[in-house]
Amino acid sequence: GQNIDQPTEMTATEGAIVQINCTYQTSGFNGLFWYQQHAGEAPTFLSYNVLDGLEEKGRFSSFLSRSKGYSYLLLKELQMKDSASYLCAVRNNAGKSTFGDGTTLTVKP
Amino acid sequence: NAGVTQTPKFRILKIGQSMTLQCTQDMNHNYMYWYRQDPGMGLKLIYYSVGAGITDKGEVPNGYNVSRSTTEDFPLRLELAAPSQTSVYFCASSYSLGAGPTPNSQETQYFGPGTRLLVL
Repeated sequence: GQNIDQPTEMTATEGAIVQINCTYQTSGFNGLFWYQQHAGEAPTFLSYNVLDGLEEKGRFSSFLSRSKGYSYLLLKELQMKDSASYLCAVRNNAGKSTFGDGTTLTVKP
Repeated sequence: NAGVTQTPKFRILKIGQSMTLQCTQDMNHNYMYWYRQDPGMGLKLIYYSVGAGITDKGEVPNGYNVSRSTTEDFPLRLELAAPSQTSVYFCASSYSLGAGPTPNSQETQYFGPGTRLLVL
């Protein structure tokens, strides 16, 4: 089976940087995804890591260490619209993805 | 492309009633998924399919059934609705592993807008 852990809630200030961590245990690892979900809406894709290292996409970056079962999502230059839930998901070789319970990020002025 | 569409958007059921949640995608994705999301929680996989005619159970399949007669459609059936099935249901689709266009981020799951179900 797969087990995903991420913090329940985080708070940060507009313009700051925040790092959301995700640890996982899985067999047959085949990729880690980060999704953003605003209240009442569907999740939308943010980033994907399958190899160790950092992937950068504008204000968002994601890091993966497969040996440690660890990933983080880094959000820079926070904006009020970044207030949302951030979901970490791990995919296995069968194509099944297991989601963490999500981290609710609140950005304050 | 319309992407992933779901109907209905919202439904109230009485205990013991049955219904089908519809899901259609027009991206020619082989993989399709059904998730439920309870308040403040992540997504729990109910069933998934890797292609037409093939379905498999996820983490929480009890009380649900699925079929995949075409690539585009993946309906979810609730036979005897129970209050524990009150939730938001998301359908998603993706390319097969390694079959999407590069870069690999195209293998992400694309989600429908969700169906809110209330069982009373």
